[in-house]
Amino acid sequence: GNSVTQMEGPVTLSEEAFLTINCTYTATGYPSLFWYVQYPGEGLQLLLKATKADDKGSNKGFEATYRKETTSFHLEKGSVQVSDSAVYFCALRYTGFQKLVFGTGTRLLVSP
Amino acid sequence: DGGITQSPKYLFRKEGQNVTLSCEQNLNHDAMYWYRQDPGQGLRLIYYSQIVNDFQKGDIAEGYSVSREKKESFPLTVTSAQKNPTAFYLCASTAAGTGGTDTQYFGPGTRLTVL
Repeated sequence: GNSVTQMEGPVTLSEEAFLTINCTYTATGYPSLFWYVQYPGEGLQLLLKATKADDKGSNKGFEATYRKETTSFHLEKGSVQVSDSAVYFCALRYTGFQKLVFGTGTRLLVSP
Repeated sequence: DGGITQSPKYLFRKEGQNVTLSCEQNLNHDAMYWYRQDPGQGLRLIYYSQIVNDFQKGDIAEGYSVSREKKESFPLTVTSAQKNPTAFYLCASTAAGTGGTDTQYFGPGTRLTVL
C-alpha cells in the first residue's frame, strides 16, 4: 500500500544549525509529495511540494528534492531559527486520488 | 481573506453525547476533508467529499457522520458510538481535480475533549 515513514523526533538543534528531516515513501505510480508544518495549537500549513521525480520544492529557506530512485523526500534547511520550532509532516498523494497519506510527524525544537 | 474556519476551537463533551464540529470555507473548493490527529500518530482521514451531496468514508469513519448540503460547509458529527473521541480534528479543502498539483489547505482545528 501507500505509506510515508519519517524519522522520529524530537530533533533538537541550536539556532543556525543545519537541519535534515528524513522522509521515505512507498507508493504505486508517481505520487506528489508534500511537506506541511504545524505550529503549536494550529492547523497544518503547506511548506513545499514536488510533483515529479527530480523536482525540488523550496520555501522560506527549506528545500526537499523528489528522489524516485531512493523513494525519498528529505527536508533540509541550512540555518534554522527558533521560530522554525514546530512539527513537520511529510505526505504523499497518489496518482488519481485527492487523499493525502501522512507520516507521523517530526517535532523540531530549536534553542537560542 | 479566503480560508477555512473551524469552530469552536475547544469543545468539551460528556460521554454519550453527540457533538457537531463546524467547517466552512470560502475558497470555492469542491473537495473537503476531515482528519483526526492523535499524538504521535499523524493525521488519519475520517470522511471526504468531492462534491455537494456526496461523501465517502475514509480510514476511520466508524462513530462519525458528515453532511455536504452546501459547497462551503462540511460539518462533522462525533456520535456516542465513537469510543475514543478525544483528539484534535482538522478540516481541509482542495480545488477540483483528481490528480496534478492540487494542494490541500487546512483549517485551524478543533480540540475535542470528552469528560
